[in-house]
This record gives sequence, structure tokens and C-alpha cells, in this order.
Amino acid sequence: DAGVTQSPTHLIKTRGQHVTLRCSPISGHKSVSWYQQVLGQGPQFIFQYYEKEERGRGNFPDRFSARQFPNYSSELNVNALLLGDSALYLCASSLEELSGANVLTFGAGSRLTVL
Amino acid sequence: GESVGLHLPTLSVQEGDNSIINCAYSNSASDYFIWYKQESGKGPQFIIDIRSNMDKRQGQRVTVLLNKTVKHLSLQIAATQPGDSAVYFCAERRKGGTSYGKLTFGQGTILTVHP
Repeated sequence: DAGVTQSPTHLIKTRGQHVTLRCSPISGHKSVSWYQQVLGQGPQFIFQYYEKEERGRGNFPDRFSARQFPNYSSELNVNALLLGDSALYLCASSLEELSGANVLTFGAGSRLTVL
Repeated sequence: GESVGLHLPTLSVQEGDNSIINCAYSNSASDYFIWYKQESGKGPQFIIDIRSNMDKRQGQRVTVLLNKTVKHLSLQIAATQPGDSAVYFCAERRKGGTSYGKLTFGQGTILTVHP
């Protein structure tokens, strides 16, 4: 079975540009979460979507937005890119709302470099 | 502030030795703790989890201990192998709210296993 798949794997943007990152969860998983991992640090929570509704948002500016589609895939959008947005963006899916037994399964991430 | 942190950023062990990775957390409102392993170029991989009403949980070659009195979490890896070399993160999920996909990660510990 395919795990969580993310695209693109690597991309380079310049300041002020916009980026869209995509995620396909594990088949049957209805919840998708997005995390930002800056080099040398642990992942930081950005968003969670469950059944196409936003269930949680981390401490990120409004330049960050996301959505979930009827097939449970998800997009993360970042506008007006800053140098500090350079990071590994991780998508994680779970079977349902995390209730102990339903752990987050992470994808390999999308490495964004902002020049 | 609220945080999950690690005492030691790096740990070097010999193959066959037991490894202990420590984590301190400051927020008592957590119902669930998880250890993840992250290898270079990959997303975090679930290792083991423990609920806040437990003190110990064992898996295959791994044991997680939770001491709520001193807000301390540890991961013990028995007979450490070179394939265990990675960055290890502890993460917590806090009670309440609507976002079950929100985990707070610690900084991470780099484990290096020497043959």
C-alpha cells in the first residue's frame, strides 16, 4: 500500500512568490495535518483538516492556507514567500481524529528553498 | 512557555549497547506522548506511544517510560544497531480542543551508533 505521498519533493522559489504543496493521504485516512520543519528543529504544527473542515491551526501567519478535497487529498499554500519559509513541509494522515490508536503517518516531505 | 524538550541533543553508542533518549515536557495537559524516528531525507516514523495514564510501555526492542511527577519521558532502545542511527523526537498531544492532529514536538536527539 502506498504511504503518504507529497509533491513536489524539492522546489526553489524566490521571495514574494507563491507556492502550492500537495499531499495524498493513506487510502482510507480522512485526516490530514501539515507541519513545518526548519533545519535542526522538530516539526511545527500548521494545520489539521478532517473531512474537509479545518480542525486546527498553528501559530502561522495568514500567508499560510490549506484545504482538503473530497478525496481527502490536501494542498498547502504559502503566499508572499519569505526567506524564513525555507523548510521541509511535512504532511501526515491518520485514519480519523487522533484518538490514541490512530497515529500520524508522515510523508517524506517537500523541501522548499526560498532565495 | 509550554514546550517539549530534550536534555541531550546528541548521543553516541556502540553497537549492541542499550540507548536511552530523554525528553522533558512542561505542560501537564497532555494525554498522549509519542516517539518518532527520522532518518535523513525521510519524514518522521512512528516508534511507540504511551498514554498519560500509563507509566511504561514496551515494544520490539523499545521501551517508553513516563514519569508524570517530574514531567519526564524516555525512550530505551535495547541492543542498539547501526540502523537505529537517526534523529529521535518526542511529541505530545494536549487534551481538549478540536485538533487531534496537533502534536508538539521536541527539538530532537541525534543518535549515532558505531559498529
